[in-house]
Amino acid sequence: GAVVSQHPSRVICKSGTSVKIECRSLDFQATTMFWYRQFPKQSLMLMATSNEGSKATYEQGVEKDKFLINHASLTLSTLTVTSAHPEDSSFYICSARAGVGNQPQHFGDGTRLSIL
Amino acid sequence: ILNVEQSPQSLHVQEGDSTNFTCSFPSSNFYALHWYRWETAKSPEALFVMTLNGDEKKKGRISATLNTKEGYSYLYIKGSQPEDSATYLCAFGAGSTLTFGKGTMLLVSP
Repeated sequence: GAVVSQHPSRVICKSGTSVKIECRSLDFQATTMFWYRQFPKQSLMLMATSNEGSKATYEQGVEKDKFLINHASLTLSTLTVTSAHPEDSSFYICSARAGVGNQPQHFGDGTRLSIL
Repeated sequence: ILNVEQSPQSLHVQEGDSTNFTCSFPSSNFYALHWYRWETAKSPEALFVMTLNGDEKKKGRISATLNTKEGYSYLYIKGSQPEDSATYLCAFGAGSTLTFGKGTMLLVSP
């Protein structure tokens, strides 16, 4: 149980393109979904937290107009990287949590984004 | 900025060896400590969520201990197997979000 599906797994596109990444909880309802970014040899860095039906909470230094998050249902959250540039190239991974607090997060497989 | 440190950065052991690694975290405002196993080309898998000082949790050959007063957690693997090869992440919870360490990369050779 607790499967999270993330698509696409790999994106290569030109600078200026907007890229949408989907994160779905397949067998449970996710009260909260999280979006992380990981640069090489660095830790997973939280970008934003989203609760179904409400605006995402962005971490300091993460531009909300650049990284649009929509959490329209209890099983789907999307991250759109708008007008992506080479510096946005990174590994993006989502997680979902049922309930609150000390429940574990369940992760997708991640998306490798390369902007040319 | 919360500081979560994991050591060693990487570890190479032989099959059958027992091993352990460390996660250190802030000792104030503690909420929970999570351990995850992340195998290459897969998603991170939750191992343990620990909340109480002195807590010890076990899952098969893997166990973890927690000391919230001094801010550290140990993860132990008894009799390592090649399938244990993965990056082991710890994450400090101070509320509803997690701050991750960089992980310990374990390689178990047959």
